Amino acid sequence: SQTIHQWPATLVQPVGSPLSLECTVEGTSNPNLYWYRQAAGRGLQLLFYSIGIDQISSEVPQNLSASRPQDRQFILSSKKLLLSDSGFYLCAWSPSGGHEQFFGPGTRLTVL
Amino acid sequence: QQQVKQSPQSLIVQKGGISIINCAYENTAFDYFPWYQQFPGKGPALLIAIRPDVSEKKEGRFTISFNKSAKQFSLHIMDSQPGDSATYFCAASLLNYGGSQGNLIFGKGTKLSVKP
Repeated sequence: SQTIHQWPATLVQPVGSPLSLECTVEGTSNPNLYWYRQAAGRGLQLLFYSIGIDQISSEVPQNLSASRPQDRQFILSSKKLLLSDSGFYLCAWSPSGGHEQFFGPGTRLTVL
Repeated sequence: QQQVKQSPQSLIVQKGGISIINCAYENTAFDYFPWYQQFPGKGPALLIAIRPDVSEKKEGRFTISFNKSAKQFSLHIMDSQPGDSATYFCAASLLNYGGSQGNLIFGKGTKLSVKP
């Protein structure tokens, strides 16, 4: 069966510090991968999606970037965090050519 | 054209009652409509999904009703239980849209509270 992991689970970072969040998927190959952000009590905002290694599309221009160095690894990064980057970051995967998206457990990021 | 509008924003239901959450979409080309359930501090979990070639899909106490002509779909939770208290999101997608590979368009969510 497929599983999706995210780490860290929680993170508190000062403004201006760098960020690296990692997501890995097990039990499948060539998945589509997604990064979402969810502000407190709000909906899901798609940040990036990837249909393959080094194939990243950005949905919202911002302070963040994404990379996919391996087939089942998706990384969300920032060089300098802003207060507005605080939120709940969710990674998701879907089978290539499929509709269903499955979410990871999320990372709670607080920027102080 | 890409929006999915969800209502109500919050809902309080007595135990044993029926919870109903509604969504409306604009793009008639959408071909997949899932519902997600999210508990506090957790990632959303896929609950049930429907395609536009059927008008209803039932899984246990959860039913999706789909009205293609009205461009609306809804989630019905029968015999609602306190354990159903969560935030529910509807979504819609189009498998191939400008190369987006089926990106989901989410509603803003409904916070459901089931009172014992």
